[in-house]
Amino acid sequence: GAGVSQSPRYKVAKRGQDVALRCDPISGHVSLFWYQQALGQGPEFLTYFQNEAQLDKSGLPSDRFFAERPEGSVSTLKIQRTQQEDSAVYLCASSLVTGPGVEKLFFGSGTQLSVL
Amino acid sequence: SQQGEEDPQALSIQEGENATMNCSYKTSINNLQWYRQNSGRGLVHLILIRSNEREKHSGRLRVTLDTSKKSSSLLITASRAADTASYFCATVLSGGGADGLTFGKGTHLIIQP
Repeated sequence: GAGVSQSPRYKVAKRGQDVALRCDPISGHVSLFWYQQALGQGPEFLTYFQNEAQLDKSGLPSDRFFAERPEGSVSTLKIQRTQQEDSAVYLCASSLVTGPGVEKLFFGSGTQLSVL
Repeated sequence: SQQGEEDPQALSIQEGENATMNCSYKTSINNLQWYRQNSGRGLVHLILIRSNEREKHSGRLRVTLDTSKKSSSLLITASRAADTASYFCATVLSGGGADGLTFGKGTHLIIQP
């Protein structure tokens, strides 16, 4: 596709439920990032992939959060046993450039997760 | 944690006026970028300025960077209703690192018609 695609657009989960959020990056983009954005705040880094390798997962808030990108393209962010504080917009971004000096991330529209 | 801090948090101006928003950051950077986010959408890259540059223009946008003060400003000239959005500065730390961009909390800009 022409841009970064995320699905679902909206997800409502009951507390304790597991959820999976999908990201289709721009074809050929090596770098893929996940961000979490709370209402009225800027995006907060969660994790970073270079191809299929997860090079940085320092932003994942707890061991309930898990991300994968097994074939170096589509990525899935999984949240186990969701809690109310997990409610946020989850943004995926991709970039052609790898390594230092990251330039111009392309963002998807995000998945808005509401945990009841 | 957020490296950048935008100022003001919210700004409301009349259509046709210029809008200026500022960003301060804490540590040395490789480059600084500005992004726009319309309500309910993802972020869109506007402009990038490198640490060895002082000013950059793109259409109605003008960005300045003062590395001695660790600050940047974004000027939007001749504002339009369509410029209503949240604007974020984002920094890439010098030395790189795999965590990409670190965003501020944003400035919410409202252009009154």
